[in-house]
Amino acid sequence: DIQMTQSPSSLSASVGDRVTITCRASQSINSYLNWYQQKAGEAPKLLIFAASTLQSGVPSRFSGSRSGTDFNLTISSLQPEDFATYHCQQSHSPPWTFGQGTKVEIK
Amino acid sequence: EVQLVESGGGLVLPGGSLRLSCAASGFTFSSYWMHWVRQAPGKGLVWVSRSNSDGSSTRYADSVKGRFTISRDNAKSAPYLQMNSLRVEDTAVYYCVRFYGTRTYSYMDVWGKGTTVTVSS
Repeated sequence: DIQMTQSPSSLSASVGDRVTITCRASQSINSYLNWYQQKAGEAPKLLIFAASTLQSGVPSRFSGSRSGTDFNLTISSLQPEDFATYHCQQSHSPPWTFGQGTKVEIK
Repeated sequence: EVQLVESGGGLVLPGGSLRLSCAASGFTFSSYWMHWVRQAPGKGLVWVSRSNSDGSSTRYADSVKGRFTISRDNAKSAPYLQMNSLRVEDTAVYYCVRFYGTRTYSYMDVWGKGTTVTVSS
C-alpha cells in the first residue's frame, strides 16, 4: 500500500499568514494527489486535484504543487473560514490512502 | 443540486450487522464509481470500499475484506454497504462518496454528510 505522510499534524497561524502543508508519498504517484478541507462536524470538501488543479469555486489563495513524491498545499493569506483540517489523498492506486490530516488552528 | 444522503447508521453490538444506504440525486448515478470512506472519532479519513459504475467490480480495504459488501442499485440511484461481523474498531462516521476519474487524474468530488456507526456492548 502507498503510505501518505502529512506534516505538520497541526499548526497555529494568524489571519493573513501564509501557510504550507506537506504530504509525502511512499512511492511515485505521479500527480495523483488530492487535497480536501474538513471543517469541524462537516464532511470533507475537495479543494485541489491532480496535485495543483483548483476545484471549481475554491478561492485562488489555495494552491498545490509537486516535487517528486513531495506535495504542498499552500494558503497564501489565511482567512477566518480556512481554519479547518486538511487531508491529502493519493488516487494513483488502491487502496486509496489518506494522510493523517493537518489541523490549522487560530493563533 | 448534486447530493448524497446516507442512512442506516446506529448502535450495534459487536458481531452484529448493519446496512448503510445512500441516496444519490442531481447527477447520472449510473455513470460514476462510488466509494465508502470512514472516520473514527478524532481520527483521519480511511478508505473502505468502492464499486465501479455497474457494480461488476468491487474492492475493499484489508480491514473490512470478507465482512463488508458494497453494492448498488442504479435504478434507485443508491449505493449500499452491508457490514457484518462488526467490531468495536469499525466505530466511525461513514461517508458515501462520488468518484470521478480520467486517464490522468481522479478524485472524490461529492461527499455525503455521513452516518454514524457505533459498535459497542
